[in-house]
Amino acid sequence: GQQVMQIPQYQHVQEGEDFTTYCNSSTTLSNIQWYKQRPGGHPVFLIQLVKSGEVKKQKRLTFQFGEAKKNSSLHITATQTTDVGTYFCAGPEADSNYQLIWGAGTKLIIKP
Amino acid sequence: NAGVTQTPKFQVLKTGQSMTLQCAQDMNHEYMSWYRQDPGMGLRLIHYSVGAGITDQGEVPNGYNVSRSTTEDFPLRLLSAAPSQTSVYFCASSEGSGYTFGSGTRLTVV
Repeated sequence: GQQVMQIPQYQHVQEGEDFTTYCNSSTTLSNIQWYKQRPGGHPVFLIQLVKSGEVKKQKRLTFQFGEAKKNSSLHITATQTTDVGTYFCAGPEADSNYQLIWGAGTKLIIKP
Repeated sequence: NAGVTQTPKFQVLKTGQSMTLQCAQDMNHEYMSWYRQDPGMGLRLIHYSVGAGITDQGEVPNGYNVSRSTTEDFPLRLLSAAPSQTSVYFCASSEGSGYTFGSGTRLTVV
């Protein structure tokens, strides 16, 4: 069945280092969405990418959608403590307007 | 706008008890869904609805019922609580571009 794989499961960084999480789909996606969940919180929608090769930036966050629309990445430059949390990617189920297939998430941990 | 409102925020149940988790949204979204999230895990879909009067099962529907009598409300019923249902439950709604999640209900079944 349709799957969205996300790696790594965890990433430990020193504050100020960069962070990247990768998302790969078994099928071509019409769009890819990214969410952030702070510890103890709920997932919050960050962005949706629709076009092949699309790159979008939100301050220190850079989101990319692959040319084949099967992979995506989220890169955070110079991490801060406010970036701590789990980042999820999600892509629509085939033939669905609403249903999402979720990646397992990447947990960003700042080393003390 | 309040967005998606879930109540209660915390609940402790005894095994075998039933209860209803409430979810309401004020954004006129057609799509609503319920997820559960176990510690350190991702999101698993329980039930969803694409409009009033329409519901369908997700990945883990056993032990749960839903109804959608209005666009705004999408309650989740636990029929006979079991310890395996201890989890955090999130309700989400969407108009087709990004989900809005409620703040969650943390449920413990003892």
